[in-house]
This record gives sequence, C-alpha cells and structure tokens, in this order.
Amino acid sequence: AQSVTQPDIHITVSEGASLELRCNYSYGATPYLFWYVQSPGQGLQLLLKYFSGDTLVQGIKGFEAEFKRSQSSFNLRKPSVHWSDAAEYFCAVGSSGGSYIPTFGRGTSLIVHP
Amino acid sequence: GAGVSQSPSNKVTEKGKDVELRCDPISGHTALYWYRQSLGQGLEFLIYFQGNSAPDKSGLPSDRFSAERTGGSVSTLTIQRTQQEDSAVYLCASSLGAQPQHFGDGTRLSIL
Repeated sequence: AQSVTQPDIHITVSEGASLELRCNYSYGATPYLFWYVQSPGQGLQLLLKYFSGDTLVQGIKGFEAEFKRSQSSFNLRKPSVHWSDAAEYFCAVGSSGGSYIPTFGRGTSLIVHP
Repeated sequence: GAGVSQSPSNKVTEKGKDVELRCDPISGHTALYWYRQSLGQGLEFLIYFQGNSAPDKSGLPSDRFSAERTGGSVSTLTIQRTQQEDSAVYLCASSLGAQPQHFGDGTRLSIL
C-alpha cells in the first residue's frame, strides 16, 4: 500500500528565508508525486507534480521539488519565502494505473514571521 | 467558472438530521473524489467515482454515509442521522484519470 509521511507538523521561517518541506513516500513502483497548498477556508491548489523525466520539477509561486528515488523523498523548496506563503502544505503520492486514488500526507503548516 | 463548485459553503444542522452536500466537477473530468478534513487533520478519503465503473466506497466511515454521481457529472454526498463527530470540512475534487486533482473550496459542516 502506498503511504506518505510529512515529518514536520509545523515549520516557522522568517520572511525572505529559504524553505524546505519534507515528504517521504512508500510506493511499489514509480510514483506520481504532488504538492498542494491550502490557504484558510479554501480547497487545495496544485503547486507542482512529478510523473517522470527530470527529477527537479518547477511549480507555481516559485516553488520547486526534487524527486530522489534512493531516499524515497520529494521535498518542496523555495529560496525566499513571502508572508503570503503561510498556509498548509500537503504532499501526495498517486498511481499511474488502476485506481487513481492518491494518498495524502497529514500536511505541514507553514508560519512566516515578518 | 471552470473550477470545482461545492454547495453549500457552510451548513449548520442539528444532531440526528440528514444533510446533502453537492459537488459540480470540472466538465469532462472522469474522476470525482470526496474527502473529509477535520480540524488540524489531513485529508481522509471517503469515496471515488471513475467514469461508469462502480465507485470505490472503501473510505466511507459508516453506513450513514452514501454518495452518488448522476450522469457522470454532479455528485451528492449524503450523511444520515448526523453525529457531532461528523463536523468537518468536506472537500470534493475531480480529475482526468491520473492527472492532478482540482479541488473545490469545501463545505464546512457543523453539527450542533
């Protein structure tokens, strides 16, 4: 069965600092990997996805993530955080065939200090 | 708009009442998902519809929960005899196969 672990429940950074949110997954084959962001009172918005190819993927809002098969990780990064990045971030792993139901991590809450 | 639409955005009801939550997916999306998100928690999968296949109901927490999808489009999640532990945000998402999901803004359900 597939699973996702986001080890950090909360992350606090200062505005302008760099950010890395961790995500580890368990999946039997090459996974489809996603990062979503959720602002208060809203649904989830896709930041970026990895299906195949280049292991460094670029997303919206200046985010990027790197797929590392050897570490079963898909960490999200941003070089300089803005106050508007404060939100809940979810990593998800999905399947390329059969049932497409992705599995979500429990989320990491990002707090940005001015 | 072109996104996933959920209604109502907020619902307050008394314990024991039935509620219906509606989801309008993106036109042409074959897959539709319902999730439950409790305060401070991640997403709990409830049910998945894919085309004309039988839905995957493996996430429904009890037989008080049911969902249908009519004409391969609009979906309704029904909770019968609501309990206080049903209070949560119910999120709907749609997708085209294995492509990324598009989420609605959710229905915030409060059981008094």
